[in-house]
Amino acid sequence: KNQVEQSPQSLIILEGKNCTLQCNYTVSPFSNLRWYKQDTGRGPVSLTIMTFSENTKSNGRYTATLDADTKQSSLHITASQLSDSASYICVVSADRAAGNKLTFGGGTRVLVKP
Amino acid sequence: DSGVTQTPKHLITATGQRVTLRCSPRSGDLSVYWYQQSLDQGLQFLIQYYNGEERAKGNILERFSAQQFPDLHSELNLSSLELGDSALYFCASSVRGSDSPLHFGNGTRLTVT
Repeated sequence: KNQVEQSPQSLIILEGKNCTLQCNYTVSPFSNLRWYKQDTGRGPVSLTIMTFSENTKSNGRYTATLDADTKQSSLHITASQLSDSASYICVVSADRAAGNKLTFGGGTRVLVKP
Repeated sequence: DSGVTQTPKHLITATGQRVTLRCSPRSGDLSVYWYQQSLDQGLQFLIQYYNGEERAKGNILERFSAQQFPDLHSELNLSSLELGDSALYFCASSVRGSDSPLHFGNGTRLTVT
């Protein structure tokens, strides 16, 4: 069964500090992995999309890594800001043969404190 | 702004009633997806349409139905509402199928009393 597990479920960090969120998946056959940021009460917004051949991708202070061999991804937030307080969702897409089905992780809720 | 428009933003209704949620996808996007997000829960996929036809079905209840119209907007109909249907309902769109990036609207918050 395709699954996406995220850890931790939640974390609190001080403004200016860095943090790393984890995503482990069992989706197969793999097509791509996406990270979304979801502010409370708003729709998710795409941060990064990585395919099998990409092992790192950045979007401003957000850097995602992908290890397709171990089926793990991480999202690193550098120099956190109060506006980074949100839920971060890892989404893995199966390939076309599997209908490009998307499997969503449960998200990591990040709270940045001043 | 994702370009995906959902209306209404908020909806309060009573148990047993029926409501319709509307979604206008981004210009040029052919696929529309509906998701349900209950309080502090992850996104649950309900259904996908591509160019007017149902493409994939997720955990959608029989009391729920959806359609995509020729102008590509979509409606999600929820009937015989129960308290447990209270949730945020998100619409997303993409150019093609789910191999292309999804763009989410800001959701409709449904409260069933």
